[in-house]
Amino acid sequence: AQRVTQPEKLLSVFKGAPVELKCNYSYSGSPELFWYVQYSRQRLQLLLRHISRESIKGFTADLNKGETSFHLKKPFAQEEDSAMYYCALSGRNYGQNFVFGPGTRLSVLP
Amino acid sequence: ETGVTQTPRHLVMGMTNKKSLKCEQHLGHNAMYWYKQSAKKPLELMFVYSLEERVENNSVPSRFSPECPNSSHLFLHLHTLQPEDSALYLCASSQEFAGELFFGEGSRLTVL
Repeated sequence: AQRVTQPEKLLSVFKGAPVELKCNYSYSGSPELFWYVQYSRQRLQLLLRHISRESIKGFTADLNKGETSFHLKKPFAQEEDSAMYYCALSGRNYGQNFVFGPGTRLSVLP
Repeated sequence: ETGVTQTPRHLVMGMTNKKSLKCEQHLGHNAMYWYKQSAKKPLELMFVYSLEERVENNSVPSRFSPECPNSSHLFLHLHTLQPEDSALYLCASSQEFAGELFFGEGSRLTVL
């Protein structure tokens, strides 16, 4: 069965420090991986997806099929990065459900 | 209105009531989704409609009944709910099945 794990419920870093939000998944096949973010009082929105290979707001994520991971990284955290981050997985065929991880709350301290 | 809008934003109902949640998307998308978000569990996919046809139903109790009359509207009909059904219900849409999800702000449901 598809599953996404995010081992940290809460991650606190100081402004300017590097940040890495961990995500591991289990899936039989070639999934599509996403990171979604929810800022305070805003709706859940896409941050990035692995197929686009873009850097959004300084964040990057590399899909490692060998380790089944899709960690989110940023070299220098900003206070405005404080939010709830969800890793998500999707299959492309009907019956392959969208699955979200439990989320990691990132707190960037001044 | 743009994006995905959900009404009502807050709903309180008794266990014997019948109510409905409404979702409307103004993005021209072809797929719509219902998710449940509760404090103790991650986002749970409930239903998926693609081109107005239900394509996913994740073992959701029959007291939740979805309806998708057209590609822009999605309803979740609620009846004889239990207190443990209290949660935030999120609607989302995507241009294609399994593509980027655009979420609404959610409907906060409290079952007394």
